[in-house]
Amino acid sequence: DAKTTQPPSMDCAEGRAANLPCNHSTISGNEYVYWYRQIHSQGPQYIIHGLKNNETNEMASLIITEDRKSSTLILPHATLRDTAVYYCIVRSNTGNQFYFGTGTSLTVIP
Amino acid sequence: DGGITQSPKYLFRKEGQNVTLSCEQNLNHDAMYWYRQDPGQGLRLIYYSQIVNDFQKGDIAEGYSVSREKKESFPLTVTSAQKNPTAFYLCASSTRQGRTNYGYTFGSGTRLTVV
Repeated sequence: DAKTTQPPSMDCAEGRAANLPCNHSTISGNEYVYWYRQIHSQGPQYIIHGLKNNETNEMASLIITEDRKSSTLILPHATLRDTAVYYCIVRSNTGNQFYFGTGTSLTVIP
Repeated sequence: DGGITQSPKYLFRKEGQNVTLSCEQNLNHDAMYWYRQDPGQGLRLIYYSQIVNDFQKGDIAEGYSVSREKKESFPLTVTSAQKNPTAFYLCASSTRQGRTNYGYTFGSGTRLTVV
């Protein structure tokens, strides 16, 4: 499974959009991009995933570049409850596990 | 509602003792996983199981053991051979169709402290 690179930390003002980048330059054609988040001392929570096309759900939007070497998770109107560590993972659907790195620690500021 | 339950939430263990962490899911998921998380670190895979009565070692299996006698249950035993067991332990499950695995559902974790 491809390795990902994320900034260690980011801040965002409450009510503004939070844009979290992820580089996955070695991604292969059958690998999906997944995003999870982990609020302190809880289990990670699934946010969204995609293969090639941009995706949107009630939590977030996922923008994947045309060459698929990077992606951006967008939280359109960040709230204080969005303060968490966000993990970007790439994995094929035949892979046995998700590899969680250290992610991006997002702090939403009032 | 379906979900995955870990118990207990907090666990204290004396050095030299074995301890078992519980993980139960009612999602009808085939695959189950155990991860360990240390402060400020990502998750590291301990063991995983794709079907009942079968499991494989992950990246850090030494000092741990598991069983998968029922589809719903995947208990983890932290043995006295684990040199540094104090950590946050997370259990996850996922559906599997053929060779396709889907996203994880995580439990809320067990924080183990050796005293």
